[in-house]
Amino acid sequence: DGGITQSPKYLFRKEGQNVTLSCEQNLNHDAMYWYRQDPGQGLRLIYYSQIVNDFQKGDIAEGYSVSREKKESFPLTVTSAQKNPTAFYLCASSKGGTSYEQYFGPGTRLTVT
Amino acid sequence: KQEVTQIPAALSVPEGENLVLNCSFTDSAIYNLQWFRQDPGKGLTSLLLIQSSQREQTSGRLNASLDKSSGRSTLYIAASQPGDSATYLCAVHTGNQFYFGTGTSLTVIP
Repeated sequence: DGGITQSPKYLFRKEGQNVTLSCEQNLNHDAMYWYRQDPGQGLRLIYYSQIVNDFQKGDIAEGYSVSREKKESFPLTVTSAQKNPTAFYLCASSKGGTSYEQYFGPGTRLTVT
Repeated sequence: KQEVTQIPAALSVPEGENLVLNCSFTDSAIYNLQWFRQDPGKGLTSLLLIQSSQREQTSGRLNASLDKSSGRSTLYIAASQPGDSATYLCAVHTGNQFYFGTGTSLTVIP
């Protein structure tokens, strides 16, 4: 089955630790995205990548980092510099260009205490 | 910057009723608009995609319309069922980014 996988589903970390969230897709999509979702707010874009080895900051990139070494993988690292990291993180992909829809993974809920 | 608004924030209807969800956006220079469904604690499921050149799209009991010039889209759900209970989000595609509304939480009462 084609789709997007995110792991783990739940993640708990202590304050001050970096943590990496996994996102893998087997849809052969060029573009991949990371969003953050907080209660009562819409999805906010953290980073996106239109092609391997290239990525751009979204609206709330501070305290996050990404890499895109392979087409199918787009891991997100939440660093200790992110002031309020507890949130639901969603990864998405699309074929790229302007005509195509986004597909989403199941999400990772990160709790930092 | 594009801003997307969804009204109402929450809606409760009896089973079988037809209903309309609204989405408005501030910048009409969009490539497409997508409607999603999100169940609690889950990812987003794509429902309908409307290209900027289209006026509407239909899938089963769902019909989405787009009026780009006025910055509005509606999602019409016919003969609602309890299984339709979820949060519905719209997103507009402007170049490299997608901008999302905050969603409408729908409850269909049996």
